[in-house]
Amino acid sequence: NAGVMQNPRHLVRRRGQEARLRCSPMKGHSHVYWYRQLPEEGLKFMVYLQKENIIDESGMPKERFSAEFPKEGPSILRIQQVVRGDSAAYFCASSPGHGYTFGSGTRLTVV
Amino acid sequence: GQQVMQIPQYQHVQEGEDFTTYCNSSTTLSNIQWYKQRPGGHPVFLIQLVKSGEVKKQKRLTFQFGEAKKNSSLHITATQTTDVGTYFCAGPSQNDYKLSFGAGTTVTVRA
Repeated sequence: NAGVMQNPRHLVRRRGQEARLRCSPMKGHSHVYWYRQLPEEGLKFMVYLQKENIIDESGMPKERFSAEFPKEGPSILRIQQVVRGDSAAYFCASSPGHGYTFGSGTRLTVV
Repeated sequence: GQQVMQIPQYQHVQEGEDFTTYCNSSTTLSNIQWYKQRPGGHPVFLIQLVKSGEVKKQKRLTFQFGEAKKNSSLHITATQTTDVGTYFCAGPSQNDYKLSFGAGTTVTVRA
């Protein structure tokens, strides 16, 4: 599968727990973009990473959120001490030339 | 910052009818992209327009980029149930990698 892979598809966390979302970009791509989609809203840019480097994190909340893309393995979006307002769909994407190719997303529900 | 607005937010269409959704940017864009997201799915890239006044067709879908490169439209003729979903337009930032998405037009079809 040469597409963008995300897991898990669905994630339920209690308030105060940590959420880890994983993303592997398209084969041969070393960059990933993370976007968040709140219910019935458009997608909001969070962070742009290349392997071992954060290029642009201007859309990341200042606290509790972090992202990394190690040399080996998938990119990780980490949300510490989740709150109900973090409930959303989180998508990562590759940019193969024209437009983005998005993964299937992780639907995070905080209870 | 750059803002991308879409109208209408919701479009309820009788099967077989035509409709148009509109997209406006607060800044001039180098290109405009359109995506479709089915309920519960992820955004799928439809098309990218680059030139001022450009018009592109994909079967029953017609995409147009305004002369000033600040607005765009998507026109669907003879709507079918397969057209159900949310249509987003998106424009790149000055850095060209970060997309600003509109809030989308959610289309429902009455058979």
